[in-house]
Amino acid sequence: SAVISQKPSRDICQRGTSLTIQCQVDSQVTMMFWYRQQPGQSLTLIATANQGSEATYESGFVIDKFPISRPNLTFSTLTVSNMSPEDSSIYLCSVHGGGGTEAFFGQGTRLTVV
Amino acid sequence: AQSVTQLDSHVSVSEGTPVLLRCNYSSSYSPSLFWYVQHPNKGLQLLLKYTSAATLVKGINGFEAEFKKSETSFHLTKPSAHMSDAAEYFCVVSARSNYQLIWGAGTKLIIKP
Repeated sequence: SAVISQKPSRDICQRGTSLTIQCQVDSQVTMMFWYRQQPGQSLTLIATANQGSEATYESGFVIDKFPISRPNLTFSTLTVSNMSPEDSSIYLCSVHGGGGTEAFFGQGTRLTVV
Repeated sequence: AQSVTQLDSHVSVSEGTPVLLRCNYSSSYSPSLFWYVQHPNKGLQLLLKYTSAATLVKGINGFEAEFKKSETSFHLTKPSAHMSDAAEYFCVVSARSNYQLIWGAGTKLIIKP
């Protein structure tokens, strides 16, 4: 299992600004995943962060808007840049070992852009 | 290719009555299947998982699910609903060959007193 600490838990931000979300895992993991959950919706994968390489982004998500850092095997950040109200969502950090194993999640960051 | 369909966006039951949340999947390979629960303003919690062992899987809080390959289904059930079961439930399919997780759209479970 893995325990994931994510912060901030919530924030209210002005449009045009940026917010960096931090994700700390209690064990070393190869892959970390960032999801977005828009109000009333399911989870959408933003990108996969592998330590030591560039993050891999899903269709519809770009590095300029959602830059990700992965400096070591226990930590990652996701920045939401130049925010607009449409970015208001819950952002979730996750880890899992692949091969059909279960995923573990941070508590999420509830972002509201005004 | 893999996909997952949760057949009901909302399910409303009375407290003390059975719960059935339906999930159908499509997978080219032998999948792993999961149910997660998300209570309001809380994180995601794993309810149960199927990974090719017993087809009837028991999870936390009295929930269970049965993997039916012939019907490509993995429905979630509970004999008697409690008010605390009110939440959003997600069915997830995963290929054992990679890191991909496919999420269902979610089913909101409403419990009537």
